[in-house]
Amino acid sequence: GAVVSQHPSRVICKSGTSVKIECRSLDFQATTMFWYRQFPKKSLMLMATSNEGSKATYEQGVEKDKFLINHASLTLSTLTVTSAHPEDSSFYICSARKTDRGLWNTEAFFGQGTRLTVV
Amino acid sequence: AQSVSQHNHHVILSEAASLELGCNYSYGGTVNLFWYVQYPGQHLQLLLKYFSGDPLVKGIKGFEAEFIKSKFSFNLRKPSVQWSDTAEYFCAVNENPRGSGGYNKLIFGAGTRLAVHP
Repeated sequence: GAVVSQHPSRVICKSGTSVKIECRSLDFQATTMFWYRQFPKKSLMLMATSNEGSKATYEQGVEKDKFLINHASLTLSTLTVTSAHPEDSSFYICSARKTDRGLWNTEAFFGQGTRLTVV
Repeated sequence: AQSVSQHNHHVILSEAASLELGCNYSYGGTVNLFWYVQYPGQHLQLLLKYFSGDPLVKGIKGFEAEFIKSKFSFNLRKPSVQWSDTAEYFCAVNENPRGSGGYNKLIFGAGTRLAVHP
């Protein structure tokens, strides 16, 4: 299967600082990547859809100025948590699909996730 | 908005017991359906998927799932579980793929935590 790599796997930062998380598709091109947030003992909540070369599409209730997404190339998307606060502590997971726009019946591949702790 | 419901939040079984995890979704159109597994400390992995055709889908590690369109269900089954099946299982559904411009959003259920005792 395809490989999606996420970095870092764990990060601890001070409140008020910003943290960048990278998501790379290692052996395929992904025009679209997805960012999820997983709360303890709960499901994955889709935060936003990252589109190569254009603005991300955010889900309702997700602050786009807080969670900056950049999809600079067909293999890299970044999520920056700006001015992080303890309530932003969570597990963030990225996902990519081998698909072009208009083709929807493909599986998603997931990164290993990033555990963010804001102190 | 579409939703995915997993009825069992925690399941505890003994080895060799049979497993069935429920999944229901609310979207009325054409769907793609998935089951993902997350082993402790690992990332999500695809167990099986349904796109079209035979509604009984075989996946890896002896898992299977049946798509019943009339019931909006996609239950996961395994006839005999092993200790190594201890993990969290997530059902996921494609949401309105054409209407969203092909962005292929996956909507996940809350997950079912399975513990298998030797």
